[in-house]
Amino acid sequence: DGGITQSPKYLFRKEGQNVTLSCEQNLNHDAMYWYRQDPGQGLRLIYYSQIVNDFQKGDIAEGYSVSREKKESFPLTVTSAQKNPTAFYLCASTNGQTLGYTFGSGTRLTVV
Amino acid sequence: GNSVTQMEGPVTLSEEAFLTINCTYTATGYPSLFWYVQYPGEGLQLLLKATKADDKGSNKGFEATYRKETTSFHLEKGSVQVSDSAVYFCALLIKAAGNKLTFGGGTRVLVKP
Repeated sequence: DGGITQSPKYLFRKEGQNVTLSCEQNLNHDAMYWYRQDPGQGLRLIYYSQIVNDFQKGDIAEGYSVSREKKESFPLTVTSAQKNPTAFYLCASTNGQTLGYTFGSGTRLTVV
Repeated sequence: GNSVTQMEGPVTLSEEAFLTINCTYTATGYPSLFWYVQYPGEGLQLLLKATKADDKGSNKGFEATYRKETTSFHLEKGSVQVSDSAVYFCALLIKAAGNKLTFGGGTRVLVKP
């Protein structure tokens, strides 16, 4: 079955360390997105990519970096510059035709 | 800019009660509208959508009608079940703006038996 896989589901890191969250899709979608979810604040867009080798900043890109070397993969790196990295991170993709997103099951990052 | 406002929760209901979650939006352009549902510890699942004024989206007993005159997309269900307990997100998308979804803050719904 096609879908989006995010790994790991839970991730713990020490303060000051960079960490990379994985997002892989086999839906043949061109566009991929990273959102951050904090309690009671809905979802905020971090970065998005509409095509391979191209990506744009979202509303809260500071302290994050991404790459899009393959259509299937859109990893997110949370750097030590991110002041408050503990959150639930969601990856999504769309083919633009149906106008709906497919979401992964998320990665909960805890920085201690 | 674009924004979505939805009623704050939590909304607590008894089983078989009627559910309404209000959602209004502001958009520069002509948006498509969505409702997503999130069960505990999971990602978001598309519940229903509407792409033009007066369209009604429906799925699993939930309905929402795209009202351009009131810029609203309220979610309704006539008889909720315990399994409907989740967080519901209203969202809009302007296709010309990179297909980026703009979400409301989410409404937690708790259905008690």
